[in-house]
Amino acid sequence: DVKVTQSSRYLVKRTGEKVFLECVQDMDHENMFWYRQDPGLGLRLIYFSYDVKMKEKGDIPEGYSVSREKKERFSLILESASTNQTSMYLCANGDHNTGELFFGEGSRLTVL
Amino acid sequence: QQQVKQSPQSLIVQKGGISIINCAYENTAFDYFPWYQQFPGKGPALLIAIRPDVSEKKEGRFTISFNKSAKQFSLHIMDSQPGDSATYFCAAERGGNKLVFGAGTILRVKS
Repeated sequence: DVKVTQSSRYLVKRTGEKVFLECVQDMDHENMFWYRQDPGLGLRLIYFSYDVKMKEKGDIPEGYSVSREKKERFSLILESASTNQTSMYLCANGDHNTGELFFGEGSRLTVL
Repeated sequence: QQQVKQSPQSLIVQKGGISIINCAYENTAFDYFPWYQQFPGKGPALLIAIRPDVSEKKEGRFTISFNKSAKQFSLHIMDSQPGDSATYFCAAERGGNKLVFGAGTILRVKS
């Protein structure tokens, strides 16, 4: 019973390429988030959205953008990938009643 | 700037022992403190959580202890099992489901 799906588990891209990371949820939650996970740094918030067409910067938005055209879909975009964006990217949706976040399995991106 | 400081970075415990992971925070506006468990190849999943109006919460072998005055909280895993081997993250919420995470603790339980 997969609830948060990240379509690409592993990607290898070259510096300067445009990268799309897709996330789809079937939980009907308003709140969606993109985090990146790096060893020794934990999870850091990139962008979040509380509604369709709405987006807000998180703690480390530089070099990223997002798109939320439909409630269930939240995409992370790297306009021009750089090597320091090599990381694990985690999408999540949030239950605003309980506070719980539900994560996808992650997309591991390597930028060469 | 780490708003939630987590220690230790890694921990090895014998089967049956007690695993203890500690976190400290600075922002007194945080009002929800969850712990997430992550297995290799999987996303983090909520393990247990506490709000600052109580000092302790227990669910099975997992207990959160919360010290509001010291701005610290900890996870205790009693009777640790090899299946508990995972990465554990503490976190704090600043409203609207927005969590600030600690750096993580890699737990290994030796059988």
